[in-house]
Amino acid sequence: AQKVTQAQTEISVVEKEDVTLDCVYETRDTTYYLFWYKQPPSGELVFLIRRNSFDEQNEISGRYSWNFQKSTSSFNFTITASQVVDSAVYFCALRVWGQGGKLIFGQGTELSVKP
Amino acid sequence: SQTIHQWPATLVQPVGSPLSLECTVEGTSNPNLYWYRQAAGRGLQLLFYSVGIGQISSEVPQNLSASRPQDRQFILSSKKLLLSDSGFYLCACPGGSGANVLTFGAGSRLTVL
Repeated sequence: AQKVTQAQTEISVVEKEDVTLDCVYETRDTTYYLFWYKQPPSGELVFLIRRNSFDEQNEISGRYSWNFQKSTSSFNFTITASQVVDSAVYFCALRVWGQGGKLIFGQGTELSVKP
Repeated sequence: SQTIHQWPATLVQPVGSPLSLECTVEGTSNPNLYWYRQAAGRGLQLLFYSVGIGQISSEVPQNLSASRPQDRQFILSSKKLLLSDSGFYLCACPGGSGANVLTFGAGSRLTVL
């Protein structure tokens, strides 16, 4: 079975703190994609990053960085020097082949960044 | 890149009334299409997906149905709404930020009273 677990339901930090959002996934497929999406209060899902199962390189984009480790089935997301505008719900998701290529989402982590 | 249109954006309906939510996609042809629901704050649940006209796969048993009458049109329906159908409904389609990336519409927020 495929599954995505985001154990942190809510995280609250003060502006400029670093914060890491955890994501653990389960799949028997050898080919899959992992994603992070951001959902601001407006509700729309905003794509942040995609990783395929053959690429374990960490990625950095500005204040955002992602750590993909197949050995622990984890795909964690770190925001450096958090800002109030980072406040949102963040979803980790898994996409596998077959079944229409659907996305399986974790339950989301609500991040609150206070000034 | 494609654009996903969803309407209505907001809907308040009484229990037992019918429902029709529409999703149309521009800028792509024969895409896979998906309906997700987000109930009570967070978790995103896949309801239906379609790989082509007239082809619908249901992920969970429910009070809702889906149809795909045209290549770029995906409709979510109900004959009689339940309170538990309240939620935020999102239509999605591959593309936009990459071939394997699902792009989502702005959503339709349904409140059943």
